[in-house]
Amino acid sequence: DSGVTQTPKHLITATGQRVTLRCSPRSGDLSVYWYQQSLDQGLQFLIQYYNGEERAKGNILERFSAQQFPDLHSELNLSSLELGDSALYFCASSVAQTGNTDTQYFGPGTRLTVL
Amino acid sequence: AQKVTQAQTEISVVEKEDVTLDCVYETRDTTYYLFWYKQPPSGELVFLIRRNSFDEQNEISGRYSWNFQKSTSSFNFTITASQVVDSAVYFCALSEALITGGGNKLTFGTGTQLKVEL
Repeated sequence: DSGVTQTPKHLITATGQRVTLRCSPRSGDLSVYWYQQSLDQGLQFLIQYYNGEERAKGNILERFSAQQFPDLHSELNLSSLELGDSALYFCASSVAQTGNTDTQYFGPGTRLTVL
Repeated sequence: AQKVTQAQTEISVVEKEDVTLDCVYETRDTTYYLFWYKQPPSGELVFLIRRNSFDEQNEISGRYSWNFQKSTSSFNFTITASQVVDSAVYFCALSEALITGGGNKLTFGTGTQLKVEL
């Protein structure tokens, strides 16, 4: 158990809908990262937040957004869902902030299925 | 841009055999970090090891060992006396140490599926 929690574990929804994925980092970690794992794209970095502020952005679609709250939990919002958004979404956390790289510990993931 | 290549898509071995998973990386930075993660059939990503670019010492942890060679940009992972429980997808990842402004992301390889059979 990494100490990172993600809810829900599974999510099934229809095209055009909007969903919210939730992540709680390990105790003491200030950075939260979101990754998408799909069969065609592999594991791709989406976005990083550090202590409530966006720190780095990857290949995140405009239909997707995220935020980190004062209690450090994070939410990833996916809207206008398409079939191709079906994937395993991971959250990871680390202590690190700008200029430091330490280990990212991953949550169990949320498997999103868009029908 | 940074890139990680795991050329082996799938490896099958018989239990107790040794197996090496290859990882080759590309980066322009002189300071970077390399990682191995394991993804068992249950789906979670489990951290195995982290190595920084200044430390080329090889490491052994139980049945696991890692061979980091900057000259060939490789960070290979060996499992000695493999067991069925080692069956998983193994990912190599690279992170650059960003000094100014930006954050810190992992670039993953495509993974190697390891199947250990009895």
